[in-house]
Amino acid sequence: EVQLVESGGGLVQPGGSLTLSCAASGFTFINYEMNWVRQAPGKGLEWVSYISRSGSTMYYADSVKGRFTISRDNAKNSLYLQMNSLRGEDTAVYYCAREDPRWELPDYWGQGTLVTVSS
Amino acid sequence: QSVLTQPPSASGTPGQGVTISCSGSSSNIESNYVYWYQHLPGTAPKLLIYRNNQRPSGVPDRFSGSKSGTSASLAISGLRSEDEADYYCAARDDSLRTRLFGGGTQLTVL
Repeated sequence: EVQLVESGGGLVQPGGSLTLSCAASGFTFINYEMNWVRQAPGKGLEWVSYISRSGSTMYYADSVKGRFTISRDNAKNSLYLQMNSLRGEDTAVYYCAREDPRWELPDYWGQGTLVTVSS
Repeated sequence: QSVLTQPPSASGTPGQGVTISCSGSSSNIESNYVYWYQHLPGTAPKLLIYRNNQRPSGVPDRFSGSKSGTSASLAISGLRSEDEADYYCAARDDSLRTRLFGGGTQLTVL
């Protein structure tokens, strides 16, 4: 069974940093591209970042470019999102989502972890 | 404001059908496949339709997708109470090199 379990969310002050993790199981992690997608309170889904299978290619939404860094450890079957210079508008549930390289968009998602940026 | 435009809400009674639209542009919907997701708050979004009109294993054939030009649609027939959820269209965008989601449509089964 495919499982994606996010962790690391919490309350952080504006300007602070936080690192999210996503533990993958039930599939061969290195064979899949990965994404982070978020949902702010009362808002829709917003794509945040993408990383290739090897970790050599990353893309970011303009709203987080220069502040967030996506990475992965294929030996640990884990995906990460390093978030710096956090702002109130970064408050959201963050989901990791698996993407089959034969397809174009995610097929499986985790349950999400909540990040709250507030003083 | 999302690049992919969906109506914020839709509704229907049990047994009825409903269609949710998704409008984009030549750089996203027209030139790329459209995906649809079902999302219940607090849960993992679920893939409903991939590559415009394909259903993953386990998704009932009450759900169907279509695309024409810069627009796409999700049709749900024989509405059931458990269909009450938020529905999102999604597509890649060639010019932005991103993945895009629509603003979401909240479906109410009356």
